[in-house]
Amino acid sequence: TQLLEQSPQFLSIQEGENLTVYCNSSSVFSSLQWYRQEPGEGPVLLVTVVTGGEVKKLKRLTFQFGDARKDSSLHITAAQPGDTGLYLCAGGTGKLIFGQGTELSVKP
Amino acid sequence: GAVVSQHPSWVICKSGTSVKIECRSLDFQATTMFWYRQFPKQSLMLMATSNEGSKATYEQGVEKDKFLINHASLTLSTLTVTSAHPEDSSFYICSVGTSRYEQYFGPGTRLTVT
Repeated sequence: TQLLEQSPQFLSIQEGENLTVYCNSSSVFSSLQWYRQEPGEGPVLLVTVVTGGEVKKLKRLTFQFGDARKDSSLHITAAQPGDTGLYLCAGGTGKLIFGQGTELSVKP
Repeated sequence: GAVVSQHPSWVICKSGTSVKIECRSLDFQATTMFWYRQFPKQSLMLMATSNEGSKATYEQGVEKDKFLINHASLTLSTLTVTSAHPEDSSFYICSVGTSRYEQYFGPGTRLTVT
């Protein structure tokens, strides 16, 4: 059974700080996705990584897929209060397996 | 991507009644849709995979007679919670699979059973 372990589960930081969220598995994934979800809304797709070692940037967010395609990370530079939300990694073909999520709070 | 809507956005029903939730793919012909359940501060839990024109595939532990799924067209899937109980109260989210890898989610439906 494929599992995705996400860490940390909770993160509270001050505006301007940097942070990294990790998504790890013992299984190889053909791709991994990162989503952001705000309270009372559905998840919004941020990025899909497919190639081992791939790095993608979305403004202040940097996503990396591990060389072995078993892990991924999300790095946010100079976090803003608007970055607050639940970040979810997910992987799989067809059906998605989700990590436990990281609840990020950025305080002004 | 795909734009996905859900209706209603929230619903309150009495214990023992049934509730239908609609999921519409507004700009993509969706042969496959997915239904998830989410509890507060938790991740998404896949309930079932909805396939257009055929029976849904339910995840282990999900009662198919309680959570009825119908996917009669490429733009609409419905989830009916039958004989709802308070423990069925949750946030239900659908998604559209646009490729092998990606899914696009609806805004979710908050169900409260009293």
